[in-house]
Amino acid sequence: AIRMTQSPSSFSASTGDRVTITCRASQGISSYLAWYQQKPGKAPKLLIYAASTLQSGVPSRFSGSGSGTDFTLTISCLQSEDFATYYCQQYYSYPPFFGGGTKVEIK
Amino acid sequence: EVQLVESGGGLVQPGGSLRLSCAASGFTVSSNYMSWVRQAPGKGLEWVSVIYSGGSTYYADSVKGRFTISRDNSKNTLYLQMNSLRAEDTAVYYCARSGVIVGAMGAFDIWGQGTMVTVSS
Repeated sequence: AIRMTQSPSSFSASTGDRVTITCRASQGISSYLAWYQQKPGKAPKLLIYAASTLQSGVPSRFSGSGSGTDFTLTISCLQSEDFATYYCQQYYSYPPFFGGGTKVEIK
Repeated sequence: EVQLVESGGGLVQPGGSLRLSCAASGFTVSSNYMSWVRQAPGKGLEWVSVIYSGGSTYYADSVKGRFTISRDNSKNTLYLQMNSLRAEDTAVYYCARSGVIVGAMGAFDIWGQGTMVTVSS
């Protein structure tokens, strides 16, 4: 099984900040990686798939990069609505594990 | 509008059974890969099961032999039959659709709102 490790698990930031979240796969997964955003009490929302492709309707301040084992999600200018928990997920092989999540809190 | 609506959650005793439903609108369940994903209280996301458009099914090791995924094409609805429930199955259960199918299943582009399952005596 290919495990996903996210870092950091949480951090505080201010609106307007540029933030980066890292996701590492235990084995190579090519670009078969997705990023999701989840707010309390809500279902996850797909932000990025194929490591760097923005899902329709997602603001362009979100971007993804990486391939193989190391991936990043970047929010170029943090907005108030971006305070949430973010998950990466590999869909290269079964089971399609998620990372443990990164909670972005208001500083 | 493309959406998924889950139902069927509730409180059940350990060892009991429950069937979850996920009604789809705006697209055809049988033409897509459909999954169940769960989230224990305060925890992360865990994939549970998938059914392919062709009918093949796969399960997480934690539920294999106890849970069964299925669909009713006439009702455009996905199901999860859960038997021999344990306390550790307590979670919000989401149904989700895979988008473009690459790799094992593609990313989940449509999610339901979730239904809570509590296993407790």
